[in-house]
Amino acid sequence: EVQLVESGGGLVQPGGSLRLSCAASGFTFRSYEMNWVRQAPGKGLEWVSYISTNSGSTIYYADSVKGRFTISRDNAKNSLYLQMNSLRAEDTAVYYCARASPITMIGDHWGQGTLVTVSS
Amino acid sequence: DIQMTQSPSSVSASVGDRVTITCQASQGISRWLGWYQQKPGKAPKVLIYAASSLQSGVPSRFSGSGSGTDFTLTISSLQPEDFATYYCQQAKSFPLTFGGGTKVEIK
Repeated sequence: EVQLVESGGGLVQPGGSLRLSCAASGFTFRSYEMNWVRQAPGKGLEWVSYISTNSGSTIYYADSVKGRFTISRDNAKNSLYLQMNSLRAEDTAVYYCARASPITMIGDHWGQGTLVTVSS
Repeated sequence: DIQMTQSPSSVSASVGDRVTITCQASQGISRWLGWYQQKPGKAPKVLIYAASSLQSGVPSRFSGSGSGTDFTLTISSLQPEDFATYYCQQAKSFPLTFGGGTKVEIK
């Protein structure tokens, strides 16, 4: 069974940092592209970042997080990460990791999400 | 960036009703489109990929159609478990973008 489990969320002050993790199991992690998607309270879905398979040599970010967030993966640990720096109130959201279905780039499996709250 | 415009933003319907949700892309995306269902407090679940392909395990009352810029998600006979929010997402190019969502409520 495919499982994605996020962790690392919490309360952080504006300007602070957090590192989110997503532990993957039930599939060959290194063979799948991965995304982070977030959802602010009561709002819609917003794509955050993408990383390609294997070495993760191709990476994309939403403009809203470019220069502040860094996506990475450790295939030996079956894990995806999102390092978030210079956090702002508008980064408050539930953050989901999502496996991208090959070719279609549609999220075919999602984690349960982890809540990040940026507030003083 | 490709903008996705979803309508309506909400719809009230009864069990057994046919419900149609539309999604319009700001530029042609061929069939690079997916539909998700999200219930409160839960992660999104994919229903449709490649505009009209039904994800494994999804009931056949869900169907998708369209190509280019105009797409439709249809629920042929609404069931109690279908009351949720639905999102479209384009997968043609980065940044990936979602529609604003359609909340299907009980009438």
